[in-house]
Amino acid sequence: AQSVAQPEDQVNVAEGNPLTVKCTYSVSGNPYLFWYVQYPNRGLQFLLKYITGDNLVKGSYGFEAEFNKSQTSFHLKKPSALVSDSALYFCAVRDYRQTGANNLFFGTGTRLTVIP
Amino acid sequence: KAGVTQTPRYLIKTRGQQVTLSCSPISGHRSVSWYQQTPGQGLQFLFEYFSETQRNKGNFPGRFSGRQFSNSRSEMNVSTLELGDSALYLCASSWDGPTGELFFGEGSRLTVL
Repeated sequence: AQSVAQPEDQVNVAEGNPLTVKCTYSVSGNPYLFWYVQYPNRGLQFLLKYITGDNLVKGSYGFEAEFNKSQTSFHLKKPSALVSDSALYFCAVRDYRQTGANNLFFGTGTRLTVIP
Repeated sequence: KAGVTQTPRYLIKTRGQQVTLSCSPISGHRSVSWYQQTPGQGLQFLFEYFSETQRNKGNFPGRFSGRQFSNSRSEMNVSTLELGDSALYLCASSWDGPTGELFFGEGSRLTVL
């Protein structure tokens, strides 16, 4: 069965510093991995995805993520944090081979706070 | 290009009532998924519809149901509302296949009193 773990409920980082939000996954077939961001009282916004190819994936708003197959991880990163990056971040996996469906399984979310 | 539209955005119901939420996907998307988001349980998958057929279903009681119309618009219904059904209900649409991302609507916030 598929699963996603986000080990940190909360991450605090100073503005201008690099940030990392951690994610590990478990899936039976090829992993299709996604990161989303959610601002208060809003829906989820897509940041980036890993399907295949380069392990470093670049996405929206300067975010990137590194896929590590041996560690089954897909950590979200940004070289220099902005106060406006403060939000709730979700990692998600799709197990298409298992389910034949498009739905994603989400982690529990990590609240990122960027301190001015 | 219009995004995913969910209506209503906010609603208040009392226990025992039923509610219907609507979702209009992005034009051309035939897959629609529904999620429930609560502070305690996080994001939980309800069901996914593709071409008017339920293709996958999460672990929710039968009070939660949905359907999809021929124009890909979808509705979900919750009958006999309970206090614990208070949540943000999110709809997402996508192209079919494993590589596409989901596009989410702004959600319908349901409060059950």
